[in-house]
Amino acid sequence: DIQMTQSPSSLSASVGDRVTITCRASQSFSTYLNWYQQKPGKAPKLLIYDASSLQSGVPSRFSGSGSGTHFTLTISSLQPEDFATYFCQQSYNNPFTFGGGTKVEI
Amino acid sequence: EIQLLESGGGLVQPGGSLRLSCAASGFTFSNYAVNWVRQAPGRGLEWVSGIFAGGGSTYYADSVKGRFTISRDNSKNTLYLQMNSLRAEDAAVYYCAKSAGYNSAWTFDYWGQGALVTVSS
Repeated sequence: DIQMTQSPSSLSASVGDRVTITCRASQSFSTYLNWYQQKPGKAPKLLIYDASSLQSGVPSRFSGSGSGTHFTLTISSLQPEDFATYFCQQSYNNPFTFGGGTKVEI
Repeated sequence: EIQLLESGGGLVQPGGSLRLSCAASGFTFSNYAVNWVRQAPGRGLEWVSGIFAGGGSTYYADSVKGRFTISRDNSKNTLYLQMNSLRAEDAAVYYCAKSAGYNSAWTFDYWGQGALVTVSS
């Protein structure tokens, strides 16, 4: 199985901050990497697919980059509605594993 | 508007069975793969199972293989998950998740609100 490791597991930030979350894979798989946002009591929401493609309707302050084993999600200017938990997920190989999550809080 | 609505969750004893359903609307259900993803309380996400558009190809995580069966009825726009021999570690919120497309079967672009499964005696 491909292990997905996110860092940090949590971070504190303020509105307007630039935030970067990292996801590392235990084996290389090009750009088969997705990012999701989850708020408490809600289902996850797709933000970024194929490592860097912005899902329709997602604000442009979200961006993704990387390939192989190292990926990042960046929020250029944190907004109040962005306080949530973020998960990466590889869509390359069964089982389609998720990272452990990064909680972004004030 | 794309909607996925899970049902069938509840309390079951260890070793028992439960069947989850997911009613889909707002898109051509028969054209897309669909999946089940679960989340134990306070924990991360775990992909459980997926089924391709025609229903002929199914995939499972090792943790549920042989105990869970995914199926779909395209005439009813409904996805199912039959869960047998349930264990305490299967307790979670189970989400139905739509695949983004043919070349993105394992990217999940729409999710249901989730069905809670509790396994306890």
